[in-house]
Amino acid sequence: DAGVTQSPTHLIKTRGQQVTLRCSPKSGHDTVSWYQQALGQGPQFIFQYYEEEERQRGNFPDRFSGHQFPNYSSELNVNALLRGDSALYLCASSSIQGPGEQYFGPGTRLTVT
Amino acid sequence: AQRVTQPEKLLSVFKGAPVELKCNYSYSGSPELFWYVQYSRQRLQLLLRHISRESIKGFTADLNKGETSFHLKKPFAQEEDSAMYYCALSGSTDSWGKLQFGAGTQVVVTP
Repeated sequence: DAGVTQSPTHLIKTRGQQVTLRCSPKSGHDTVSWYQQALGQGPQFIFQYYEEEERQRGNFPDRFSGHQFPNYSSELNVNALLRGDSALYLCASSSIQGPGEQYFGPGTRLTVT
Repeated sequence: AQRVTQPEKLLSVFKGAPVELKCNYSYSGSPELFWYVQYSRQRLQLLLRHISRESIKGFTADLNKGETSFHLKKPFAQEEDSAMYYCALSGSTDSWGKLQFGAGTQVVVTP
């Protein structure tokens, strides 16, 4: 089991563009959470998906949206990119029985110029 | 509102010395507390959770509800303990599984 995988590893976008990040959860996990980690800060919760529905959401604008597929993989979409969206985006998977015990992916480094 | 505070950004200790990383939280209810660790060039991983009450890699953490703290301790630091440590909180019921992280403490263990 490769654990949680994310793609791409790095991404450079221009302000105003849209981006899609992808995540495959650890085998056996059914819940996917997304976090944004700015330099020098702890991860900030964006949202969580379970059974293909957004289950919880953090304090992020509607420009941030997501999706979960029947195979439990997930996408994070960000529209109208701002320079402030530059960060490391982490995906974490867990089981709904223990959603706090999360396994993290390596992250996608997004740079908005 | 839930909040996690890690007052130390950097903790430098000598090998063999005790190390304690402070974590204070605010939450109106019964939270679940975790410590996550990120070693150099590795992904963020769970170190321990208060519910399991176990010692991982010599580290222990006790939840003190009176002081709303969840400090991480190890009696004898090793060089391989050098890493970034994050305290995290998950609320109950409506925010279960939504991890709130502190800003992190960088631990450097020198020989």
